[in-house]
Amino acid sequence: DTGVSQNPRHKITKRGQNVTFRCDPISEHNRLYWYRQTLGQGPEFLTYFQNEAQLEKSRLLSDRFSAERPKGSFSTLEIQRTEQGDSAMYLCVAGELFFGEGSRLTVL
Amino acid sequence: AQSVTQLGSHVSVSEGALVLLRCNYSSSVPPYLFWYVQYPNQGLQLLLKYTTGATLVKGINGFEAEFKKSETSFHLTKPSAHMSDAAEYFCAVSPIGRSAGNKLTFGGGTRVLVKP
Repeated sequence: DTGVSQNPRHKITKRGQNVTFRCDPISEHNRLYWYRQTLGQGPEFLTYFQNEAQLEKSRLLSDRFSAERPKGSFSTLEIQRTEQGDSAMYLCVAGELFFGEGSRLTVL
Repeated sequence: AQSVTQLGSHVSVSEGALVLLRCNYSSSVPPYLFWYVQYPNQGLQLLLKYTTGATLVKGINGFEAEFKKSETSFHLTKPSAHMSDAAEYFCAVSPIGRSAGNKLTFGGGTRVLVKP
């Protein structure tokens, strides 16, 4: 148990569809991060929240991506009009240390 | 900007042999340093981290790493490999200071294969 729950664990979608991932830390953490990991690569930073405020977004986060953390607890990451290049594992991190098991996106 | 280089995308060791995974970083100031392990279809698990103080850091599962500022390195070692050590290992850095957000910059990873 990593203390961070991510759903769904695996999502297969067709190009052009929208998808949403959810991250639920079990305990309270002020900071919450999203990373993307493609096959054979290390995770890359996407964005992070301090409570409900989104403080930084990577250049990787195009305008098709949006993340929220409305109550400073769980967070969602939505990808609109998915492209095949969006296929990756999306990792949520609570605090600086607690990684979720990730949500794997496959865009056909 | 910070960057991390892990030398060798794949390492093969015999069970009982030394495990040595190399990590070099580039940063304008010495950052915080981390090693993570990732098993198939799982998230990352922290092995150890260096923030301040003693430069030899001991982690879980018998791993340790030494911070060498002059070499900008943070190599990971384990004296005797076990079959359960087969996984992918990532070195990462983060900037010092809460205003920097503590986001992690990862290396490309090293996949470890342990031969019986």
